[in-house]
Amino acid sequence: DTAVSQTPKYLVTQMGNDKSIKCEQNLGHDTMYWYKQDSKKFLKIMFSYNNKELIINETVPNRFSPKSPDKAHLNLHINSLELGDSAVYFCASSSPGRVRELFFGEGSRLTVL
Amino acid sequence: QQPVQSPQAVILREGEDAVINCSSSKALYSVHWYRQKHGEAPVFLMILLKGGEQKGHDKISASFNEKKQQSSLYLTASQLSYSGTYFCGTEIAGGTSYGKLTFGQGTILTVHP
Repeated sequence: DTAVSQTPKYLVTQMGNDKSIKCEQNLGHDTMYWYKQDSKKFLKIMFSYNNKELIINETVPNRFSPKSPDKAHLNLHINSLELGDSAVYFCASSSPGRVRELFFGEGSRLTVL
Repeated sequence: QQPVQSPQAVILREGEDAVINCSSSKALYSVHWYRQKHGEAPVFLMILLKGGEQKGHDKISASFNEKKQQSSLYLTASQLSYSGTYFCGTEIAGGTSYGKLTFGQGTILTVHP
């Protein structure tokens, strides 16, 4: 069983379209994240949810809207896609406590044409 | 603020050793180390917490100098499987953002036979 799974793995779309990425974790973790990795491999946090509550919201355009229906799921919806949104989006989860190692999903590669 | 990693790239032969450094300008609560192979998700290697607590793999070692806000990852007797990009991630001490990791720019490690 995959611990953190994302769908879809690949998205190719036109500028201006809307797309969603779904994430599910079966580790029983309380906290989930969205990270963006650009073409230079820079890994940057976008959002974090703890028990369905938004706790981290970095400087991300409001075209990006995360939603956590329950603590095992975290989705990312992106409106009006732009060329600069092309990247790999990683979902991750971590357990509570002092030692909060991240478990990453396989990533969703978004290409905006 | 993004931690700074050095060197940017390392090329080794099997059996050689390497050290990767991570430096922050902020007081840190924890330092994480992850390895990412091409086309894959980052994988947890080690976490070092303020106060000396650690968790990680038996064959990987790291240090955390709390006074200097620096961490080093030690890769000894390197194997071909060690190749990949190594990221440090830092969590600021006393921060209000629970579990917010800021990653360095990455160090590309290549091991040749």
